[in-house]
Amino acid sequence: AQRVTQPEKLLSVFKGAPVELKCNYSYSGSPELFWYVQYSRQRLQLLLRHISRESIKGFTADLNKGETSFHLKKPFAQEEDSAMYYCALVIQGAQKLVFGQGTRLTINP
Amino acid sequence: DAGVTQSPTHLIKTRGQQVTLRCSPKSGHDTVSWYQQALGQGPQFIFQYYEEEERQRGNFPDRFSGHQFPNYSSELNVNALLLGDSALYLCASSLGRHEQYFGPGTRLTVT
Repeated sequence: AQRVTQPEKLLSVFKGAPVELKCNYSYSGSPELFWYVQYSRQRLQLLLRHISRESIKGFTADLNKGETSFHLKKPFAQEEDSAMYYCALVIQGAQKLVFGQGTRLTINP
Repeated sequence: DAGVTQSPTHLIKTRGQQVTLRCSPKSGHDTVSWYQQALGQGPQFIFQYYEEEERQRGNFPDRFSGHQFPNYSSELNVNALLLGDSALYLCASSLGRHEQYFGPGTRLTVT
C-alpha cells in the first residue's frame, strides 16, 4: 500500500541553523512527490515538487529512490519558515494525494 | 479570483444527522477532490469528481457521497454522522491532473 511517513511531529531549530524535515515513502510504482506547507491561518499550499527540481524559498528536496526518501532541506532557517509541512505523493495515473502526518516546524529567534 | 472557496466555515451537528459541505473551484478548474483531515493527522483522500462523475475514491464508507455540478462546483454529503467524522474537510481543485489548489476547509464537529 502507498504510505508516506514523516517521523517528526515537531521540529524546533534556531534562526540561521540548517533545517531538514524527513519524509519516507512506500510506493510500488514510480513516485511523484511533493511538499505542501501551511502557514498560520492560511490554507494548504504547494511548496515544491520533485519533478521540477527547483528551490522555493530556499528549500530543496531530492528524491532518493534507494532510500525511498524525499527530505526537505534549507541551509539557513528563517522565522517565517515556521509552519506545518506535509510530504505527499500522488498515485501514478491519478490525482489522488497521499499525505504524511505532517511536521510542525518552529524557528526560534 | 478568490481561489477555492468552501462553505460553511464551521458546522456543528449531532450524531446521526446528515451534513452537506460545498466547494467552488478555482476559476478554470474542472476537477474537485475532497479530503478529510482529523486533528493531528495529514489530509486523507475521500474522492474526486471530474465531468460530474466520481473518478477516484479513497477508503471511506458509502455514508460519504458527493456530487459535481455543471459549473464544476461540488458538494460532499455525509449521512448518519458519527463522532469520528469530526474533522476539517478540505476541497481541492485542479485542471485535470495538474496541481491541486486547496480551499480553507470546513470544520465539522459532531456531538
